Amino acid sequence: AQKITQTQPGMFVQEKEAVTLDCTYDTSDPSYGLFWYKQPSSGEMIFLIYQGSYDQQNATEGRYSLNFQKARKSANLVISASQLGDSAMYFCAMRKIAGANSKLTFGKGITLSVRP
Amino acid sequence: ETGVTQSPTHLIKTRGQQVTLRCSSQSGHNTVSWYQQALGQGPQFIFQYYREEENGRGNFPPRFSGLQFPNYSSELNVNALELDDSALYLCASSSGTDFYNEQFFGPGTRLTVL
Repeated sequence: AQKITQTQPGMFVQEKEAVTLDCTYDTSDPSYGLFWYKQPSSGEMIFLIYQGSYDQQNATEGRYSLNFQKARKSANLVISASQLGDSAMYFCAMRKIAGANSKLTFGKGITLSVRP
Repeated sequence: ETGVTQSPTHLIKTRGQQVTLRCSSQSGHNTVSWYQQALGQGPQFIFQYYREEENGRGNFPPRFSGLQFPNYSSELNVNALELDDSALYLCASSSGTDFYNEQFFGPGTRLTVL
């Protein structure tokens, strides 16, 4: 079984500063993918970044980077130069690479508030 | 290219009733996954449909059922509604069932059961 743990309470960050959102995971699968999604108040899940368990380098997508530490089973999201529009819920998720379907297993999420 | 759409946006039902939620997948996508997101929680996988067949199911009772049509749009049906069924229901479409097929989410249907 796969499990995602996000235990941070609501996070606050000043505009233009960097912020790290924590995610730890547990799985017995040898290969897996890790994802981060943003969910604004409108409800839609917006894909941010992906990291494969086999990737040697940490993923980056614009202002988003993923600090992947496989031995510690952590996949923290780093948002640089925060913007007011970054205020939202953030979810870490994982998916098996092999298997019958590609379901995502999500954590409980973290609320991020960006202060002007 | 039209994205994933869901209808209705909001819905209020009473306990014991039945509800049908609809999802139109993105053009070219043959796979639809449904998730339930209770307030303050992350989405939970309900089931997935691939080319009109169920292709995996999460830990949800049989009163949660689905359907996928030849145009790959999908329905989620919930019978005998319970208060705990109140949630945001998200559907996601993808061009396949493999891990590298990105899932594109719709805006969700917010269901309230009174």
